[in-house]
Amino acid sequence: QSVLTQPPSVSAAPGQKVTISCSGTRANIGSNYVSWYYHVPGTTPRVLIYDNNKRPSGIPDRFSASKSATSATLAITGLQTGDEGDYYCGTWDSSSREWMFGGGTKLTV
Amino acid sequence: QVQLQESGPGLVKPSQTLSLTCTVSGGSISSGVYFWSWIRQPAGKGLEWLGRIYTSGSTNYKSSLKSRITISGDTSKNQFSLELRSVTAADTAVYFCARFMERRGLDYWGRGTLVTVSS
Repeated sequence: QSVLTQPPSVSAAPGQKVTISCSGTRANIGSNYVSWYYHVPGTTPRVLIYDNNKRPSGIPDRFSASKSATSATLAITGLQTGDEGDYYCGTWDSSSREWMFGGGTKLTV
Repeated sequence: QVQLQESGPGLVKPSQTLSLTCTVSGGSISSGVYFWSWIRQPAGKGLEWLGRIYTSGSTNYKSSLKSRITISGDTSKNQFSLELRSVTAADTAVYFCARFMERRGLDYWGRGTLVTVSS
């Protein structure tokens, strides 16, 4: 059971928009930077969003994120079948002094 | 381009010690702005952060693993290592090493290595 709560799965049609939520506490999301990761089992995870809402070079602007109080949200627009996979939020927890991932959300397009 | 590569035994017996090494190229683990991390993923489960080491040698560990885990660095080889003691089948997972930078997150990852705990 992860301290950061994500929906287990989301789905939407190609071309549509989907949002993935990540709920935490003041000690983690409320106090630290949130990043988002994309992972297809058997491949290398990659960062999609860092510093709450910034995209690394090479990540299309279809991916965006926001943070509010103790929660964060990843939004993906113009969904493509290639976006299918698992999405994780991550942040530092100032109370336990450890990094934590959300439980992960499986996206089906 | 920074690259990380995990190496170590793919099979460990229960109660023994799992030891993995991550070799970093294209960047130095001595650089003062990065943390060098270990993450794992058991089959069918999510990503689990295990711990990290800073340039100074200071470490942070997942609370539930503190009694069994050690992460260390070897700047002469530009490597950092994971040691997990008294393993059980629950430690069977794909293990990843990664670079972490404050605000940038885990920006570079290794390809992962499967470690199976079985007799």
